[in-house]
Amino acid sequence: EDQVTQSPEALRLQEGESSSLNCSYTVSGLRGLFWYRQDPGKGPEFLFTLYSAGEEKEKERLKATLTKKESFLHITAPKPEDSATYLCAVQNYSGYALNFGKGTSLLVTP
Amino acid sequence: DAGVIQSPRHEVTEMGQEVTLRCKPISGHDYLFWYRQTMMRGLELLIYFNNNVPIDDSGMPEDRFSAKMPNASLSTLKIQPSEPRDSAVYFCASSSQGAQPQHFGDGTRLSIL
Repeated sequence: EDQVTQSPEALRLQEGESSSLNCSYTVSGLRGLFWYRQDPGKGPEFLFTLYSAGEEKEKERLKATLTKKESFLHITAPKPEDSATYLCAVQNYSGYALNFGKGTSLLVTP
Repeated sequence: DAGVIQSPRHEVTEMGQEVTLRCKPISGHDYLFWYRQTMMRGLELLIYFNNNVPIDDSGMPEDRFSAKMPNASLSTLKIQPSEPRDSAVYFCASSSQGAQPQHFGDGTRLSIL
């Protein structure tokens, strides 16, 4: 059975203090690994898809990387508006459902 | 462009009542997914459709839950009879193809008293 574990559960950063969020996974044939951002009272908002080990993608202050066992979401010089819950999900070759981790709740203070 | 639209946004009802949640996917998207989010279990798939046909309903908790997709613009998730443990946020998502990113609606917050 696929498993996705995210750490830490919660992270508090000062504005400008860079850090990384971790997503460890076990999956029977990875089709893709997805990162989402979720704001309170809203649905998850798509950020990135990674398909193979070594792949990297960037968007503004966010950079996602992938190895065969884990993915990292690097946040460079975060701003308060980056505060949200970040969700990682895997999709395997047996179907198209996403299997989500529990998320990392990020708070960036001024 | 209109995103995924869910209704109602909030629903409070008493145990034993029938509950119907609705979802309008993004136009042109062939895949529609229903997920449930709770603090304890996070986001979990309930069921998904391809071209209005249910493909995987392995996440549907029990016979009290049913989902339909009568046309490309509407899917419904029905709970009958409802129980307090069904309280959660129910999300609908759609994608243009199965492996493409899923785009989520803002969910229905369901409270069963």
